[in-house]
Amino acid sequence: QSALTQPASVSGSPGQSITISCTGSSSDVGGYDYVSWYQQIPGKVPKVMIYHVTKRPSGVSDRFSGSKSGNTASLTISGLQAEDEADYYCGSYTRRSTWLFGGGTKLTVL
Amino acid sequence: QVQLVESGGGVVQPGRSLRLSCAASGFAFSTYGMHWVRQAPGMGLEWVAVIAYDGSNQFYADSVKGRFTISRDNSRNTLYLQMNSLRREDTAVYYCVKAPPGPNYYMDVWGPGTTVTVSS
Repeated sequence: QSALTQPASVSGSPGQSITISCTGSSSDVGGYDYVSWYQQIPGKVPKVMIYHVTKRPSGVSDRFSGSKSGNTASLTISGLQAEDEADYYCGSYTRRSTWLFGGGTKLTVL
Repeated sequence: QVQLVESGGGVVQPGRSLRLSCAASGFAFSTYGMHWVRQAPGMGLEWVAVIAYDGSNQFYADSVKGRFTISRDNSRNTLYLQMNSLRREDTAVYYCVKAPPGPNYYMDVWGPGTTVTVSS
């Protein structure tokens, strides 16, 4: 079980939009609409921001959105704010009834 | 409100065993699947194991299969992780994580974690 592939880091200025990709295979990301995204601020526990590819839990800003094409899922944050600076992880259910996370992406707000 | 509190972490020698517990409150524990997820120092998240609401099914990451056992006691609202044959690479913060209700495939509430250090 290899981890899903994410860029190690992305950055953007306040007000801009950024996109983080998450690449897996047809056995996980591509095979199910069960991709989720988690935000982890240093020293804090992860928080779900997107689930089932595109759905937002109540209380999560609509600046966060998700999508998927083939074996690659994406998280887009629009109107970037300083408070968005964190590590972001994608996660996916797999064909083996297990879960995989991506390696994580560090978002820096310039 | 929903609360998960892990315990049982500590320093243990390679090859030894440790059992983690997770006390749940604020929700109907016996009706939800539960996960363990770990995070090594300075590293990313790694899913460890999941158990069905009634304990009928368990699944494991390849890295722990055969060494770790996830279980639950619904009468005590408690989740467990029995860790045997521990290795240095098992050093991590271990999080107890609740699954959402229904056919939903993500992790919605995380405990604060308990730290396991495998070292001689």
